[in-house]
Amino acid sequence: AQTVTQSQPEMSVQEAETVTLSCTYDTSESDYYLFWYKQPPSRQMILVIRQEAYKQQNATENRFSVNFQKAAKSFSLKISDSQLGDAAMYFCAYRSPRDDKIIFGKGTRLHILP
Amino acid sequence: GAGVSQSPRYKVAKRGQDVALRCDPISGHVSLFWYQQALGQGPEFLTYFQNEAQLDKSGLPSDRFFAERPEGSVSTLKIQRTQQEDSAVYLCASSWDRPTNEKLFFGSGTQLSVL
Repeated sequence: AQTVTQSQPEMSVQEAETVTLSCTYDTSESDYYLFWYKQPPSRQMILVIRQEAYKQQNATENRFSVNFQKAAKSFSLKISDSQLGDAAMYFCAYRSPRDDKIIFGKGTRLHILP
Repeated sequence: GAGVSQSPRYKVAKRGQDVALRCDPISGHVSLFWYQQALGQGPEFLTYFQNEAQLDKSGLPSDRFFAERPEGSVSTLKIQRTQQEDSAVYLCASSWDRPTNEKLFFGSGTQLSVL
């Protein structure tokens, strides 16, 4: 069974600085999808970025980018120019192409220091 | 509606009561998921519908949990004889089609507290 591990329960970063959130996963599949979701206090999960495993190029979305290391099964999220609105829980997630459900990690709570 | 709507936002139940949680997906969305999120944890899959068909219910923790989507739009998650371990946020999500390449839209969840 696939698993997703986020080893940093909490992180803090100064406003305007850069922070990297770590994620590792375990799978025997060669093709899959990886995601980072943001969950603010409103509880609504918001997709931040997604990566298809067959694509070697790392995905980017404005200030958000990933470092996808397929061999190491690592999928970290980098947030540049951190803003107060980035404060939230961040979840790394995995989905198999043979399945429809998403498997989430336990999350990292990100604090932005003014 | 503009997004996925869940009601109620908060529900307090006495142990042993039955509860029903409602999810209104975005109009026209085919796929609908229910997730359970315990305090301090990531969401865990409960069940998945494609239209009115429940294609996967492997995540339902016991036979006290039941979900339905009779007309392929609104879905209800029912929990019978609630227990304290059922306390969690229940999230609903929907997408236009099977989420192979489709974005999932989440609701804000129902926070269930069982006393």
